[in-house]
Amino acid sequence: EAAVTQSPRNKVAVTGGKVTLSCNQTNNHNNMYWYRQDTGHGLRLIHYSYGAGSTEKGDIPDGYKASRPSQENFSLILELATPSQTSVYFCASGDRDRVPERLFFGHGTKLSVL
Amino acid sequence: GDSVIQMQGQVTLSENDFLFINCTYSTTGYPTLFWYVQYSGEGPQLLLQVTTANNKGSSRGFEATYDKGTTSFHLQKTSVQEIDSAVYYCAMRERGNSGTYQRFGTGTKLQVVP
Repeated sequence: EAAVTQSPRNKVAVTGGKVTLSCNQTNNHNNMYWYRQDTGHGLRLIHYSYGAGSTEKGDIPDGYKASRPSQENFSLILELATPSQTSVYFCASGDRDRVPERLFFGHGTKLSVL
Repeated sequence: GDSVIQMQGQVTLSENDFLFINCTYSTTGYPTLFWYVQYSGEGPQLLLQVTTANNKGSSRGFEATYDKGTTSFHLQKTSVQEIDSAVYYCAMRERGNSGTYQRFGTGTKLQVVP
């Protein structure tokens, strides 16, 4: 079974602080994604990556950076966290060679910015 | 721009009721369409997918038909059970700069009461 692990599961940050959310997948998938989940908005794509060293902007990239140092790891970075970034963040991986691509999600990281 | 619309934010049913969750999409062509289910405390997981217009997908008693005429992909189940209580997301495959990603709707929370 595909495995996507996010850390931390919960995070409380202060406004203006730096936050790094980590994601590790053992599926050997090329593609990885970061979504945020908010009531009334559903899941919105922040950044994604098609392989190590690559990142692409999604629909709501402002205020976020992403890093894909290896096939297995994909991080989401909030350089200057704001209360509007309080949300639940989900990482997902997918196999680009499988059509259609099925996404495997982690359990999510609940971030509160005070 | 492209979009996936779920008008129902919440649906409450009794066990053995018929389920209908609507989803419409807006884009060019005939994208692959998905339904994901998210149980409490977990990440979303794939429920079913359909790649070709006017085809049907089914899984675990759920069914969805891809209707290119009305650009809809509604989810149905004849008889819901309490264990079906979850959030259901409709999603659409989109083309990015170097590959594809999935655009999600706002989600429909299903509560099934005994």
